[in-house]
Amino acid sequence: SQQGEEDPQALSIQEGENATMNCSYKTSINNLQWYRQNSGRGLVHLILIRSNEREKHSGRLRVTLDTSKKSSSLLITASRAADTASYFCATDEFGTGANSKLTFGKGITLSVRP
Amino acid sequence: GAGVSQSPSNKVTEKGKDVELRCDPISGHTALYWYRQSLGQGLEFLIYFQGNSAPDKSGLPSDRFSAERTGGSVSTLTIQRTQQEDSAVYLCASSLGQDQETQYFGPGTRLLVL
Repeated sequence: SQQGEEDPQALSIQEGENATMNCSYKTSINNLQWYRQNSGRGLVHLILIRSNEREKHSGRLRVTLDTSKKSSSLLITASRAADTASYFCATDEFGTGANSKLTFGKGITLSVRP
Repeated sequence: GAGVSQSPSNKVTEKGKDVELRCDPISGHTALYWYRQSLGQGLEFLIYFQGNSAPDKSGLPSDRFSAERTGGSVSTLTIQRTQQEDSAVYLCASSLGQDQETQYFGPGTRLLVL
């Protein structure tokens, strides 16, 4: 079954606006990661947040993690047309050991209109 | 430096034929992962190699699927007697291991079974 579930499934915004994407998961985790995918090909790692962290920043990205609600959010500030892509959250399930498989959600399609 | 490479980029085959997909991980990465992504879906874990340990094959969908990793580097995913439902993008990723959780993905192999 799907561990991570993102919402919304699709998001369309104007360039310059902020984009917020949410992810929920079911089990205890070691960490949660966000990836980006262009044109159905390889994924690019964006940011990792550990289970003992609540918020993390990287450039225009801000990710939060609420382990009590088993949810995370990814905020992209001042969006650009080049941010148009699919975004996936992935969890590394607690107890399966470091570097074990990631469980991905189905992804969010973000469209940023110029 | 060179990233994860996969070959072929695209593969069209007839139902019932065997196919081999190749992955060259980043040099020095001890962990290697195979995932499958069907159209519009998230990534489905297939198999995970870590150093010389026995691989985690828990995601392989049937006994028609197998994978090897020779010399701790290059990996081959083999699908025997392909079926139309095997059509998908097959993604390989590698990571440093040693508690470095970020996975670096290749561009994928797009498989179409006619």
